[in-house]
Amino acid sequence: EDKVVQSPLSLVVHEGDTVTLNCSYEVTNFRSLLWYKQEKKAPTFLFMLTSSGIEKKSGRLSSILDKKELFSILNITATQTGDSAIYLCAVTNNAGNMLTFGGGTRLMVKP
Amino acid sequence: ETGVTQTPRHLVMGMTNKKSLKCEQHLGHNAMYWYKQSAKKPLELMFVYNFKEQTENNSVPSRFSPECPNSSHLFLHLHTLQPEDSALYLCASSLHSGDSYNEQFFGPGTRLTVL
Repeated sequence: EDKVVQSPLSLVVHEGDTVTLNCSYEVTNFRSLLWYKQEKKAPTFLFMLTSSGIEKKSGRLSSILDKKELFSILNITATQTGDSAIYLCAVTNNAGNMLTFGGGTRLMVKP
Repeated sequence: ETGVTQTPRHLVMGMTNKKSLKCEQHLGHNAMYWYKQSAKKPLELMFVYNFKEQTENNSVPSRFSPECPNSSHLFLHLHTLQPEDSALYLCASSLHSGDSYNEQFFGPGTRLTVL
């Protein structure tokens, strides 16, 4: 059974801090790993990672995948209160269309 | 608006009621999904439709019945639910082309409460 574990479960930081969120996985026939941000309802897509060692970057957010050690990290630099959300990690296998989600990391950024 | 819409946004129903959740995507995608998000549990995939054909049913009880009349619309018909079915039900869609599945886009969800 595919499995995704995220850590920490929750995190409280102050504006300007840098945070690192972790995602480890076990999946048969790994295809891709995805990060989503969920603020109120709809998870919004952040990154899709398929290859090891290639950093994906979008503004203050970046992510990298290690397929040997089976984990990914999501970094957020210079955090802002608007970064407060649940960050979800998910993996797909070779079928490609089935996402297995982790439990999420709840990030709170205080002013 | 995310390009994936869901109605209603909130629903309260009794255990003997029959109701339906609706999802519509305006993104030209050809795969649609239902997920359940319960408190303190990871998002759980319920059903997958590719080109209107159901391809996955993750051991979901028969009191949940999906329907996909075309690649833009997806329904979840509910009947004789239990209080433990109370959750946020999320719809998603993605583009499947050849061997490639792109990222899934989610709707805002329906917050369901079963009394």
